[in-house]
Amino acid sequence: KQEVTQIPAALSVPEGENLVLNCSFTDSAIYNLQWFRQDPGKGLTSLLLIQSSQREQTSGRLNASLDKSSGRSTLYIAASQPGDSATYLCARTDSWGKLQFGAGTQVVVTP
Amino acid sequence: NAGVTQTPKFRILKIGQSMTLQCTQDMNHNYMYWYRQDPGMGLKLIYYSVGAGITDKGEVPNGYNVSRSTTEDFPLRLELAAPSQTSVYFCASRPETIYGYTFGSGTRLTVV
Repeated sequence: KQEVTQIPAALSVPEGENLVLNCSFTDSAIYNLQWFRQDPGKGLTSLLLIQSSQREQTSGRLNASLDKSSGRSTLYIAASQPGDSATYLCARTDSWGKLQFGAGTQVVVTP
Repeated sequence: NAGVTQTPKFRILKIGQSMTLQCTQDMNHNYMYWYRQDPGMGLKLIYYSVGAGITDKGEVPNGYNVSRSTTEDFPLRLELAAPSQTSVYFCASRPETIYGYTFGSGTRLTVV
């Protein structure tokens, strides 16, 4: 069975530190890998998408890498801010656009 | 620009009752999805649709039904509610390109 795993489940860092969030998947034949942000009581916001032919994507302070051979993706958030506090979810995508999610990493950035 | 609208936001059902969760999008997206999220877990796909009149099962379809009579609407029907269906339900849509998912804000359902 294909699975997506996120470690750690929770993370607390002081403001200004860099965040490193990990995502692993069992099937290297992925179509895309996406990272989402979820705020309490709200829906998901798409952050970055990495196509299977790409190694990384960047948007502002966010950088996501993809290593299909090892079945891993990493989301880096530089110079964290309290506003970055949220749950971060990774998801692999198949060719129909169906998403298979990990359980998420809950991040708290303390001032 | 409303995006994806879900109603209701909260609902409490008794065991055995039925209800319909509404989902409407105004972006003319062909692809629509229903996911459920249990506490501490990621989202799991219930049903999806690739266009009006076309639906298919996802990972956890038992106890649910869907229909897609228009591009805009993708309602999720719960028949004979059970405590195991207590969850937060999210509807999402996307255009033809893989990127650009839009999620609704969710419906929190409790079955007692």
